[in-house]
Amino acid sequence: AQSVTQPDIHITVSEGASLELRCNYSYGATPYLFWYVQSPGQGLQLLLKYFSGDTLVQGIKGFEAEFKRSQSSFNLRKPSVHWSDAAEYFCAVGANTGGFKTIFGAGTRLFVKA
Amino acid sequence: SQTIHQWPATLVQPVGSPLSLECTVEGTSNPNLYWYRQAAGRGLQLLFYSVGIGQISSEVPQNLSASRPQDRQFILSSKKLLLSDSGFYLCAWSVPPFYVLTFGAGSRLTVL
Repeated sequence: AQSVTQPDIHITVSEGASLELRCNYSYGATPYLFWYVQSPGQGLQLLLKYFSGDTLVQGIKGFEAEFKRSQSSFNLRKPSVHWSDAAEYFCAVGANTGGFKTIFGAGTRLFVKA
Repeated sequence: SQTIHQWPATLVQPVGSPLSLECTVEGTSNPNLYWYRQAAGRGLQLLFYSVGIGQISSEVPQNLSASRPQDRQFILSSKKLLLSDSGFYLCAWSVPPFYVLTFGAGSRLTVL
């Protein structure tokens, strides 16, 4: 079965600073990897996804993530954070095991200070 | 376009009462359907998923059950609610090949 670890419960960054949110997964084969964002009072929205090919994937709102098989990681990055990026970010791993399941990490809450 | 409806949005129920949360999807056929529960600090816990009518897979043994009476309808139920059933319940759907989840707005359940 697949699993996801997001080691940081919350992170605070200054507006304009760079951001990296960590994600490690466990799965025997190449997984489907996702980052979703949940803004206050908003639903969950896909930021980006990885299935195969180029290990650096671009998403919406200027986010990117890099798949590193050797480290079982899929960290999310943004070069310059905006105040509107304050939200909760979820890393997720999906696999087709008799039906496609997506398992989420515990989430990382991002605070942005002026 | 595809939309997902989930209701009720909020629900306050006494311990021991029954539960029924409904989810319907529009604009797609034969989707995979999912029920998740979100608790603070625990992310989204997958409760049930379904790949077709009448086909339900349970991820966590608990006081809840799910049913899929129609292709685009997914129902979460309980015969007798427990305090621990309180939480934020999210319905979602996906289709191949990318299986990106589209979530409903959620149902907040408080059991007193």
